[in-house]
Amino acid sequence: RKEVEQDPGPFNVPEGATVAFNCTYSNSASQSFFWYRQDCRKEPKLLMSVYSSGNEDGRFTAQLNRASQYISLLIRDSKLSDSATYLCVVRETGRRALTFGSGTRLQVQP
Amino acid sequence: GAVVSQHPSRVICKSGTSVKIECRSLDFQATTMFWYRQFPKQSLMLMATSNEGSKATYEQGVEKDKFLINHASLTLSTLTVTSAHPEDSSFYICSARELVGGPLGDTQYFGPGTRLTVL
Repeated sequence: RKEVEQDPGPFNVPEGATVAFNCTYSNSASQSFFWYRQDCRKEPKLLMSVYSSGNEDGRFTAQLNRASQYISLLIRDSKLSDSATYLCVVRETGRRALTFGSGTRLQVQP
Repeated sequence: GAVVSQHPSRVICKSGTSVKIECRSLDFQATTMFWYRQFPKQSLMLMATSNEGSKATYEQGVEKDKFLINHASLTLSTLTVTSAHPEDSSFYICSARELVGGPLGDTQYFGPGTRLTVL
């Protein structure tokens, strides 16, 4: 079983749509959670950290459910520029490196 | 702030040659740098953790004699792919984490990556 699992997509949505991505992680000792965005042939860039209380940054809302080991990302009012691969990322307790999911590809269409 | 650079951005080499990739933190000191590899349509996979002034810690299945890592200073880590073969062709990405307790917290900052093609 993969440590971090995501639906690879692609998700094809029209501009203005709301889209949600889900992610599950296998290690209950994981302590830090993030969503990264990766554009084609580029490095990943931090989109937002994910907290147990849920957090919002503009059109982006992230949720964490520790009991279910589940992380979500909601994007409202999708823009063409949101087209990218979204990576669910986890850091396990006592480990400095990050563990990446394989990513969910989003394509926002005009 | 918090910029990480990598050099070269792209390299094409013949099978059997060695390739060195540099990772630099430009405006902060990084006691720890990480080296990842990403094959097409796959996730980033951690290869090794590079610690300034000490030996790197390699992930299971990564040959330390093939992927030589040197973290000579708080701002520079190098990855040398020795005797490269076509199956080593991949996107190599480094990331850097600031000194513990620094203003950047525990965020990792990624370099732009190096695309290696071995013919």
